[in-house]
Amino acid sequence: QLQLQESGPGLVKPSETLSLSCTVSGGSISSSSYYWGWIRQPPGKGLEWIGSIYYTGSTYYNPSLKSRVTISVDTSKKQFSLKLSSVTAADTSVYYCARHKVIIAATPRSHWFDPWGQGTLVTVSS
Amino acid sequence: QSVLTQPPSASGTPGQRVTISCSGSNSNIGSNTVNWYQQLPGTAPKLLIYSNNQRPSGVPDRFSGSKSGTSASLAISGLQSEDEADYYCATWDDSLNGVFGGGTKLTVL
Repeated sequence: QLQLQESGPGLVKPSETLSLSCTVSGGSISSSSYYWGWIRQPPGKGLEWIGSIYYTGSTYYNPSLKSRVTISVDTSKKQFSLKLSSVTAADTSVYYCARHKVIIAATPRSHWFDPWGQGTLVTVSS
Repeated sequence: QSVLTQPPSASGTPGQRVTISCSGSNSNIGSNTVNWYQQLPGTAPKLLIYSNNQRPSGVPDRFSGSKSGTSASLAISGLQSEDEADYYCATWDDSLNGVFGGGTKLTVL
């Protein structure tokens, strides 16, 4: 059974870079059918997709965050990582990683996240 | 402000059928498929419906999805107390990539 687990600091100072990793177990991160994604949820608010990466390094990003986001993958460690630069209090969220099925070569485009990690709360505060 | 519009709340009594709507535009729901996620209190979201109306293994057939034009709906029949959760629609937007609705909090009365 595929499982994902987020890890990283729970507290980041304003203007610094948030760094998280997601470890995949129970399956291959190099599957030809899936991307690997990051989604966040501010406390008490809705979900926001951050970006996703294929095992080859190909990425899709949320245009509103693209200038601050870098997602990378290390297939030898079965991990993918998120870096979000110049953080502010507005970046305080629970950050989730998830396997991301992406079918966008033709219309209608389809994509979904399944399964998800349990999430990790990252607070931006001095 | 979410690209996809959902009612902030919905409610029903046990055994009842409830529906949750999700409204978008031609660049997202109108041309792409819709997914639904269930988020129980204090837990990570779980995929409920994908590709408009497909249920992943293990999801009860009480849950069903549909899409028409630029709108989609999630229907829950035989409502149970354990269905009390937040529900999110999601789709691909041709400009914005992956987008979610604002979420609907379902209360079982």
